[in-house]
Order: sequence, then C-alpha cells, then structure tokens
Amino acid sequence: NAGVTQTPKFQVLKTGQSMTLQCAQDMNHEYMSWYRQDPGMGLRLIHYSVGAGITDQGEVPNGYNVSRSTTEDFPLRLLSAAPSQTSVYFCASSNQQGAMDIQYFGAGTRLSVL
Amino acid sequence: SQQGEEDPQALSIQEGENATMNCSYKTSINNLQWYRQNSGRGLVHLILIRSNEREKHSGRLRVTLDTSKKSSSLLITASRAADTASYFCATAPHSNYQLIWGAGTKLIIKP
Repeated sequence: NAGVTQTPKFQVLKTGQSMTLQCAQDMNHEYMSWYRQDPGMGLRLIHYSVGAGITDQGEVPNGYNVSRSTTEDFPLRLLSAAPSQTSVYFCASSNQQGAMDIQYFGAGTRLSVL
Repeated sequence: SQQGEEDPQALSIQEGENATMNCSYKTSINNLQWYRQNSGRGLVHLILIRSNEREKHSGRLRVTLDTSKKSSSLLITASRAADTASYFCATAPHSNYQLIWGAGTKLIIKP
C-alpha cells in the first residue's frame, strides 16, 4: 500500500522558474493539504482541499497554486520561484476534514531556489 | 501562527531511560495530536487525544492532556535508539478545522 506519494524528492530551481510538486494518495481520502517545513518552525499550511473541485488557502498561500481535479491527486504549483520558497514540502491526506482526524504524510520534497 | 509550543526544544538521554516532552497551546481545542519525524522523512502519526480525554496509551507511549492548563505531555518509556527523531504536537482549535503545529522537540537517544 503506497499511502501518500510525493514527487520529486529533490528539486533545484532558479529564481523565476515554475514547477509542479506532485502528490497522490490511494486511500480515497477527501481531505488533502500541502505544508511547508522550515528549520526551527512547525509545519505551515499552504493550501488544502476538502474534496475534488474544492480548494482553499491556508496560512501561507502566496506564490502557490493548487487544483484538485480528482480525489487522488493534489498538485502544488510554484508560479515564479523565489529563494524564500526554499523549504521542505509535505503533502498530507486524511479521512475527515483537517484537524478532526489523523494525517498521513508523504515523504516530502526538498526544494532549493537559487 | 503557532499555537503549540513544545518543550524542551532538544533532549538527549541514554538508551533505556524515559523521555518526556511537553506541549502547550493557547486556545480551546477539539483534539491534540502527536507525530514523529525521523531525519529526512515524513511525519508519522503517534496518538490523537480528544479534549474530553485525559490520558491515552500506545505501546511505550503515554500521552496526557490537561485542558485546564492547556498542556499535553508525551512520555516514551524505555527509550531505544530507534526513538531518535523529532516529535511534534499539533492542535485542532475549536475555531477552525486546520491543525496548528508546534516547532518540535528533537530527541536523541544515546546508545
């Protein structure tokens, strides 16, 4: 059982480049979310989705776009990468909305923006 | 905005000893969750404790919740080298459905 799969594991971008971080889950979870993790800080919510076709902003949405066309996939797009977006990105899914259930995490994408 | 704050930020103990980590939060909550993160890996759920519960156990893990003090503790008994990881608490506030995460406690178990 794969759980939550994130690709790529590592990525280096130049300032201004765009890219998409992929996230897929095979648990039929309605709720999916994207976090970023920076040194010495807790996870910060970027965007989340409560089901296919429904997305909303989290705490730090600027510079990121999401879409949810299927239950399984929740890609995160960086529109024009900036050094401040250097971070580790985690995708998570859960059976119930947000905080009411345990979260299943992917292994993360480590992104460096030069 | 960080609601949960773990204490201590770092903890180093000998294998076999018990490890205690604390989490404090600011607003009323629906539940509080503890997660473990091994170096370079994703987070793994450990225990979820609801606001009407005071204590939960899972194997060598014991979590307590004191809503009057807005605090929780995670106790790992008989620690092992494999317990070396960062431990995070996350709170589910009544005001919304998004988890709020603390900065974590880095636990090192010395052989």
